[in-house]
Amino acid sequence: DQQVKQNSPSLSVQEGRISILNCDYTNSMFDYFLWYKKYPAEGPTFLISISSIKDKNEDGRFTVFLNKSAKHLSLHIVPSQPGDSAVYFCAASANTGNQFYFGTGTSLTVIP
Amino acid sequence: DVKVTQSSRYLVKRTGEKVFLECVQDMDHENMFWYRQDPGLGLRLIYFSYDVKMKEKGDIPEGYSVSREKKERFSLILESASTNQTSMYLCASTGTGGTYGYTFGSGTRLTVV
Repeated sequence: DQQVKQNSPSLSVQEGRISILNCDYTNSMFDYFLWYKKYPAEGPTFLISISSIKDKNEDGRFTVFLNKSAKHLSLHIVPSQPGDSAVYFCAASANTGNQFYFGTGTSLTVIP
Repeated sequence: DVKVTQSSRYLVKRTGEKVFLECVQDMDHENMFWYRQDPGLGLRLIYFSYDVKMKEKGDIPEGYSVSREKKERFSLILESASTNQTSMYLCASTGTGGTYGYTFGSGTRLTVV
């Protein structure tokens, strides 16, 4: 059973606008969350993280929001750039690091 | 620059062949993982290891085995390759309590014909 879900397989956004990628999870024991970015024919690369003691974390154009009561997190990219076009995976862990569970990914296309 | 290195980027193998996928990390990480990535299914965990000579089954271990004889190396073995094992295979590692999650290799695109 999928413990981490990304219900939107794809998303298209105009350059300069906001991209919002969503992720839901079912396991209330998850306490650490990551977003990865993946280009074709490459491995995923770490983008941004958030622990359950926070509800927001920012890094430049990227912000992750966590709503623990709804078991929902989202990644905001502002402004979106064509180079952001990639597949984005969210991942969750119940013990801050040893094993992560991944969503199915959202393919983001930023249109110039 | 820290690295997880997968020995092959692309492989084509025949049905029934025994296939070895090699992964080496230079970060002295305790934990290593093998995933496969398929469209619409995301990353699915095949096997992982928390220590030398130790292995644990992930979500989809059937048809696979692993070997970890040295801390830096984690091998995935397809005992008898089948066409449904055509996939992108990703190796990852992390230290204990890794707050940045996994470091992934570049992946191996395996095609079984």
